[in-house]
Amino acid sequence: AQKITQTQPGMFVQEKEAVTLDCTYDTSDPSYGLFWYKQPSSGEMIFLIYQGSYDQQNATEGRYSLNFQKARKSANLVISASQLGDSAMYFCAMDGSNDMRFGAGTRLTVKP
Amino acid sequence: DARVTQTPRHKVTEMGQEVTMRCQPILGHNTVFWYRQTMMQGLELLAYFRNRAPLDDSGMPKDRFSAEMPDATLATLKIQPSEPRDSAVYFCASGFPLGTAVRQFFGPGTRLTVL
Repeated sequence: AQKITQTQPGMFVQEKEAVTLDCTYDTSDPSYGLFWYKQPSSGEMIFLIYQGSYDQQNATEGRYSLNFQKARKSANLVISASQLGDSAMYFCAMDGSNDMRFGAGTRLTVKP
Repeated sequence: DARVTQTPRHKVTEMGQEVTMRCQPILGHNTVFWYRQTMMQGLELLAYFRNRAPLDDSGMPKDRFSAEMPDATLATLKIQPSEPRDSAVYFCASGFPLGTAVRQFFGPGTRLTVL
């Protein structure tokens, strides 16, 4: 069975600094996709970034980058130049073999 | 700007009542998901459709939950009878293939409270 682990229930970062949110996964599928979503207090789920298991390069989307280490089965999200609007819950997710799993989430608070 | 729509946005009902939640996926998306989010369990996949056919509903309590896609523009999730432990936010998402995965677009959710 697939499993996603986010070990940081909460994180704090100073505005304009970078922050890394951890995510590890476990799967026996050779082919899978990894996602990060942001959920602000409004409750909507916002797609941030995607990494395919066969992608050679780490994914980047604006201020978001995914540090993909396949051998270690980790897919950490790096947010550069944090903004107050980045305060939210962040979920790591994995899609493989018609099974979509989400981690428990990390609550990020950006301090002014 | 295409969006997934869900109705109702909020629902308060009494234990034992039937609840039907509706989702309109984004036109052209061939995959639809239903999720449930609670503080205790987080986000759980309940059911998953591709081209309107159910692919996986193993996450759904079969005795009271049912999910259907009567046509490409409508997905429904029904709970009968509802119980207080069903109180949660129910998300629908639609998507298209992205590599070997599915790029999902989430609806705003239905917040269900069962008294």
